[in-house]
Amino acid sequence: DAKTTQPPSMDCAEGRAANLPCNHSTISGNEYVYWYRQIHSQGPQYIIHGLKNNETNEMASLIITEDRKSSTLILPHATLRDTAVYYCIVRLYNNNDMRFGAGTRLTVKP
Amino acid sequence: DTAVSQTPKYLVTQMGNDKSIKCEQNLGHDTMYWYKQDSKKFLKIMFSYNNKELIINETVPNRFSPKSPDKAHLNLHINSLELGDSAVYFCASSQDGYSGANVLTFGAGSRLTVL
Repeated sequence: DAKTTQPPSMDCAEGRAANLPCNHSTISGNEYVYWYRQIHSQGPQYIIHGLKNNETNEMASLIITEDRKSSTLILPHATLRDTAVYYCIVRLYNNNDMRFGAGTRLTVKP
Repeated sequence: DTAVSQTPKYLVTQMGNDKSIKCEQNLGHDTMYWYKQDSKKFLKIMFSYNNKELIINETVPNRFSPKSPDKAHLNLHINSLELGDSAVYFCASSQDGYSGANVLTFGAGSRLTVL
């Protein structure tokens, strides 16, 4: 499975867009990019996933580069409640487990 | 209704004891998981069951024994507890991982403290 690299921490001002990068240079053609987040002391929460097209849902947008070697999760208007650890995971579409790395700790500041 | 519920939420016990953590999901999912999050906050998969069949068993001491009486339940029993077992244990479930996107729904976690 492809490994991912994320910055350990980022800050974002409340109301601004939060752009969280993820490198996955060894991704294979049939591997998807998944994003989860974990708000302090809670269970991880699924955010979004994609293969090669950009994806958007009510929580976030996922931008995947054309060569698929990196992606960016965008929270369009970050709130204090978006402060969490964000995990980028690359897995086969029907693979039966999610393996979490260290993630990026996003702190949204007033 | 909580989608994935774990009990107990907190568990404090002595070394050497045996304890269980229960997990139930009401989502109709086929696959259930146990993850462990230690003090360094790394989240590691321990076990995965699909329709009551064990499909993932990571390098976990055999003091840990998952039991799945039906596909809606996956319990974790731990024998001879050690200090290093102190962690937060998360249960999760997903729709059949063999045929669809692997979106996991997690429980709130069970914090185990071994004294």
